[in-house]
Amino acid sequence: EAGVAQSPRYKIIEKRQSVAFWCNPISGHATLYWYQQILGQGPKLLIQFQNNGVVDDSQLPKDRFSAERLKGVDSTLKIQPAKLEDSAVYLCASTLFGNTEAFFGQGTRLTVV
Amino acid sequence: DQQVKQNSPSLSVQEGRISILNCDYTNSMFDYFLWYKKYPAEGPTFLISISSIKDKNEDGRFTVFLNKSAKHLSLHIVPSQPGDSAVYFCAASVSENAGNMLTFGGGTRLMVKP
Repeated sequence: EAGVAQSPRYKIIEKRQSVAFWCNPISGHATLYWYQQILGQGPKLLIQFQNNGVVDDSQLPKDRFSAERLKGVDSTLKIQPAKLEDSAVYLCASTLFGNTEAFFGQGTRLTVV
Repeated sequence: DQQVKQNSPSLSVQEGRISILNCDYTNSMFDYFLWYKKYPAEGPTFLISISSIKDKNEDGRFTVFLNKSAKHLSLHIVPSQPGDSAVYFCAASVSENAGNMLTFGGGTRLMVKP
C-alpha cells in the first residue's frame, strides 16, 4: 500500500513570496489533514478535510494560508505572502473515514529567508 | 494554551533498560490517546493507542498506561533498543471513531545508548 505522498520535500523562499505544497493521500482515505510543525514543537492542525469539504479550519491563518481538496483526493496548501515565522515542516496526513490513527507523509520543510 | 504536554524534551537510556516517556493533558474531553514515533526527515508513524475505557494497552515491547484521574499517560519501552532512538509524540483526540483531529504534545527525544 502506497503511503501519503508530499512534494516538494524542501523549499526555500524569500519573505513575501508565495509557495504551494501538494499532498496525495492513501487511496480510499476520505479524511485529509494539514499540520504545521515548527522546530522543537509538536504538529499543529491547520485544516481538516472530509472528502472535498472542510471540517475544521479554525487554526488556519486565512489571511495568508489557503487549502483546497478538489475531487476529494489530492490537496494543495498555499501560503501567500510568506512570513519568516512560517518556516516549519508542513505535514499531510490521511485516515479512513471515522478512524483516528492518522498516516503521515514525509513532510515539506519550508524555510523563509 | 497547551492541552497536551510532554515535560521532558529528552531522555537517555542504556540499551536493554526500560524507557518511560510521560505525557499530561488538561482537556477532560480527550478520550483517545496515541503515541507516534518520528525519525529525522520522516513523518510521524503511529506506534500504539489507548482508549479512555482502558488503563493499559500492550503491543510487544511497548505498553501505554493511562491514569484518567491524573490526566496522565506514559509509554514504556522494554527492553529499549538503539533503533528506538527517535522523537516520540503523545497525541490526544476527542472520540476514537470520529476521525477527529489530533492534538500533539511537544515531543520527547529518546536516545538509546548501545
